[in-house]
Amino acid sequence: RKEVEQDPGPFNVPEGATVAFNCTYSNSASQSFFWYRQDCRKEPKLLMSVYSSGNEDGRFTAQLNRASQYISLLIRDSKLSDSATYLCVVTKNTGFQKLVFGTGTRLLVSP
Amino acid sequence: ETGVTQTPRHLVMGMTNKKSLKCEQHLGHNAMYWYKQSAKKPLELMFVYNFKEQTENNSVPSRFSPECPNSSHLFLHLHTLQPEDSALYLCASSPTYGGDTQYFGPGTRLTVL
Repeated sequence: RKEVEQDPGPFNVPEGATVAFNCTYSNSASQSFFWYRQDCRKEPKLLMSVYSSGNEDGRFTAQLNRASQYISLLIRDSKLSDSATYLCVVTKNTGFQKLVFGTGTRLLVSP
Repeated sequence: ETGVTQTPRHLVMGMTNKKSLKCEQHLGHNAMYWYKQSAKKPLELMFVYNFKEQTENNSVPSRFSPECPNSSHLFLHLHTLQPEDSALYLCASSPTYGGDTQYFGPGTRLTVL
């Protein structure tokens, strides 16, 4: 089983749509959770951390369900500029808190 | 953004060549990382340095040899690579060792012929 599993997509949505991505992780001891964004042929960049209470940053909302080992990202009012690959990332304690990345979910927002 | 820079951005090399990738961070961070990103695969951690001391080697073949002369610079020396080593090699840094937000460089896209 993969440590972090994501639907690779692509998710094709029109501008203004709401879209949700899910991610599951296998290590129940994971302590920190993140969503990174990676544009085509660019480096990953932190989008937001994910907290147990859920957190929101503008049009983006992240949720964590520790019991189900499940993380979600909701994007409201999609923009063309949201087109990218969204990477789910969890930490794994290997003597230090190593980041474990999913393969990413690709989002394409069209006019 | 120039927080983490990498050179070269693209590299094509033969299996018998020796080359080096360079990474420099201008953020005053203490930890630096090398990752490999292959098509359809998640980012794989290769090496970790904390205060220029290597702390992690994630079972990376010896044909990849890292070097960290100081906490701002990181190199990845390559020799006798295989075609399956073709990938995007990303350098990252973080304020402290592990768990923090990591800031990535633009990567070196490596093709091994």
